Amino acid sequence: RKEVEQDPGPFNVPEGATVAFNCTYSNSASQSFFWYRQDCRKEPKLLMSVYSSGNEDGRFTAQLNRASQYISLLIRDSKLSDSATYLCVVNSESAGGTSYGKLTFGQGTILTVHP
Amino acid sequence: EADIYQTPRYLVIGTGKKITLECSQTMGHDKMYWYQQDPGMELHLIHYSYGVNSTEKGDLSSESTVSRIRTEHFPLTLESARPSHTSQYLCASSGTGWGNEKLFFGSGTQLSVL
Repeated sequence: RKEVEQDPGPFNVPEGATVAFNCTYSNSASQSFFWYRQDCRKEPKLLMSVYSSGNEDGRFTAQLNRASQYISLLIRDSKLSDSATYLCVVNSESAGGTSYGKLTFGQGTILTVHP
Repeated sequence: EADIYQTPRYLVIGTGKKITLECSQTMGHDKMYWYQQDPGMELHLIHYSYGVNSTEKGDLSSESTVSRIRTEHFPLTLESARPSHTSQYLCASSGTGWGNEKLFFGSGTQLSVL
């Protein structure tokens, strides 16, 4: 089983739609979680950090479910510019709480928003 | 905006040549990373460093080597390039401690070996 798994999609949605992505992780000791966005042939860029029970930033909401070991990303009122690959990223920590800082990426979920 | 720079942006080179991909950051980050990514595929960690004189191999085996003589500089070297090395190479850095683990990426080097 992969350490971080995402539904690769692609998700094809019309403008204005609400879309949700899920991501599961295998290491129950993981402490930090992130969503990155990657445009075609560009570098990944941080979209949101997810540290506790979840957080919201405008049209984007990220949630964390530690019991089931998954995080989700919800995008409301989709825009054409939201078309990209969304990467789930997990940082596994030691039991002592020391941050090793080595992040594990999921394979990414492709989103295409059409007119 | 992140202050992490990679050069060259594109490199086309013949088989057997030695190449060095440059990566520098001005954020004072201790941790630096090299990822390899083929088009439409996931990122694979090939090297990382937690500070000066510290280098480790990542999850994906790579014939490349790295060095970390200065905090801000983390070059990647291929002694003898082959067509199988054709890929995009992304450098990244991050801070230390809770809340600082987020990665900042350079723009990448697209390597093509003929």
